Order: sequence, then C-alpha cells, then structure tokens
Amino acid sequence: DAMVIQNPRYQVTQFGKPVTLSCSQTLNHNVMYWYQQKSSQAPKLLFHYYDKDFNNEADTPDNFQSRRPNTSFCFLDIRSPGLGDTAMYLCATSRERGGLSSYNEQFFGPGTRLTVL
Amino acid sequence: GQQLNQSPQSMFIQEGEDVSMNCTSSSIFNTWLWYKQDPGEGPVLLIALYKAGELTSNGRLTAQFGITRKDSFLNISASIPSDVGIYFCAGQGGGNKLVFGAGTILRVKS
Repeated sequence: DAMVIQNPRYQVTQFGKPVTLSCSQTLNHNVMYWYQQKSSQAPKLLFHYYDKDFNNEADTPDNFQSRRPNTSFCFLDIRSPGLGDTAMYLCATSRERGGLSSYNEQFFGPGTRLTVL
Repeated sequence: GQQLNQSPQSMFIQEGEDVSMNCTSSSIFNTWLWYKQDPGEGPVLLIALYKAGELTSNGRLTAQFGITRKDSFLNISASIPSDVGIYFCAGQGGGNKLVFGAGTILRVKS
C-alpha cells in the first residue's frame, strides 16, 4: 500500500544530544511537510519541501533543520534538543503545493513521539 | 497570524447520541477540512469542503462550509465507540498551508 512511513515511532534523547527523525513515502508526491504537535495541541507546521525547494516557516527555531536527499525521503534534524522540544513530530505529503483556490490533500504519517530528558 | 477557534474543547457522550462541533475564524479560508486523530497516530482526513455553503456527507459525518467562509461545523450522527478520538478542523488559505484548530476530544460511553 502506498503510504507515509516514519521512523522511529518513539525516540528518547538527552538534552542537547542531536537527533534525526526520518520520513519516507511511496506516494511519489512532490511536497513533504514536517509538523510539530505538542501534547493536547494542534499540529504546527515547521517547514516543507516542494521538490528540492525548502520553505521554512518564519517562527521555526534555527535548531530545527531538514534534508530531502530524494523524492522519497525527508529528514528532520534537531541539532540541540531542549526539554521544550518534547512532542509528536508528524510528516505529511501532498502531490502538489496547491494554489490560492485549490487544495491538494495532505497525507500524514503516524508520527514520531520524541521525548527529551 | 491566522487562528481558528474550535469548540467544544471536549465532549463525553452516550453511544448513539449525535455530536456537533464547530470552528470559527476571523480570516477567510478557501478550503475547510476536518481531520480525526487517534492516539499515537497521525491525523486522517474525514471531509474536505471547497465552496462556501457546501454541505458534504461521509457516512455518519456531515460538514458544512459557512457562507461567510469563516466557519465550519461537523456533525456525527448516532455515535459509536470507535468515534473516540481528537477531531481537528483546518483551514487552507494561500498555497497548501493548513491552519489547525485546537481540537475537540470526543469520548463515547457505551
């Protein structure tokens, strides 16, 4: 089945120790997104890639970086995790970016639950 | 930035009851979406609404895109235990970016 896969599903890291979360997709979609979702809150967009074009949200901390080596894979790197970075990290994909009056459905992966100790 | 106000924050209902939740915004959105998120999983799209005034059903779910393009509601009829989860509304303005509401936690007593 075509899908969005995230690894690992659960990750525990120490304060300040770099961590990388992985997302892969078999949908061959052009756009990949990373969201942060803290407990009992809505998902918040961190950045997205349209093909190889990286688009950062204005309020995403510099501590968060991303790489997309090919169409199928996208990585979220947290260079120096703080306690406040404990959250669920969701990857999503869409075929296209959409326009002012059109929407391309975003398909979400199951998420990686990150705990920073 | 754009914000969505989603209510109620949580609901605890009896199995078989109907459920209603809504979202309002101070901004206009081109598309309204309703997602459901089960514990430990990513959100799954339930209904997408593309035109002001549009009323769309998906099984026991019905959603409407408000005429002013600043609000939407979701109704669930005859709730069942597997309806338990968090329901998010989301609005799409420019491009494909989504703004999510804070979510409605639904619990069902059987």
